[in-house]
Amino acid sequence: ETGVTQSPTHLIKTRGQQVTLRCSSQSGHNTVSWYQQALGQGPQFIFQYYREEENGRGNFPPRFSGLQFPNYSSELNVNALELDDSALYLCASSRQGEETQYFGPGTRLLVL
Amino acid sequence: GIQVEQSPPDLILQEGANSTLRCNFSDSVNNLQWFHQNPWGQLINLFYIPSGTKQNGRLSATTVATERYSLLYISSSQTTDSGVYFCAVLSGGSNYKLTFGKGTLLTVNP
Repeated sequence: ETGVTQSPTHLIKTRGQQVTLRCSSQSGHNTVSWYQQALGQGPQFIFQYYREEENGRGNFPPRFSGLQFPNYSSELNVNALELDDSALYLCASSRQGEETQYFGPGTRLLVL
Repeated sequence: GIQVEQSPPDLILQEGANSTLRCNFSDSVNNLQWFHQNPWGQLINLFYIPSGTKQNGRLSATTVATERYSLLYISSSQTTDSGVYFCAVLSGGSNYKLTFGKGTLLTVNP
């Protein structure tokens, strides 16, 4: 069984730029959730995708957007990067209707 | 929204010692998970435990849903147990948004 994978592992951007992070869900999973983890904090829910549509959203501005593809993989896009966007971005997959989420290794984003 | 509090925030042990980590939550929950985050950032599932007691090797967990807390027990700790332990809950009408505590940073010294 293939686990959740994310790319890239690390990324450095400058303020104002745009970034795309990618996630492949665990085999058999059709739902993908994205979380942001700032240094020293617990992960914060950004949004979830199911059947290629946003299924719920946390308290993040519209410049955080996402996509889910027919193979259940997903992208997180962040526009107009700010210094505070520097964080570990985690993707989690699950089966719709099942509550256990499984996390990928994350992408570390540094905004300068 | 629901509040999740973990204690202690930091814990330092000698190898072989036992420990108890606590998670308190402010409302009824549909799901509770314990995770271990290793030094590279990977969140590893330990337990899915909305109620009751489960054991997996040296680790066990108990959730008392009516009293809104969960405990994670680590026995005979090893240096590889070091890292941050998170409790996360699903609550209310949400079946997708995990709310995490701030974690407990465990350091196990040889």
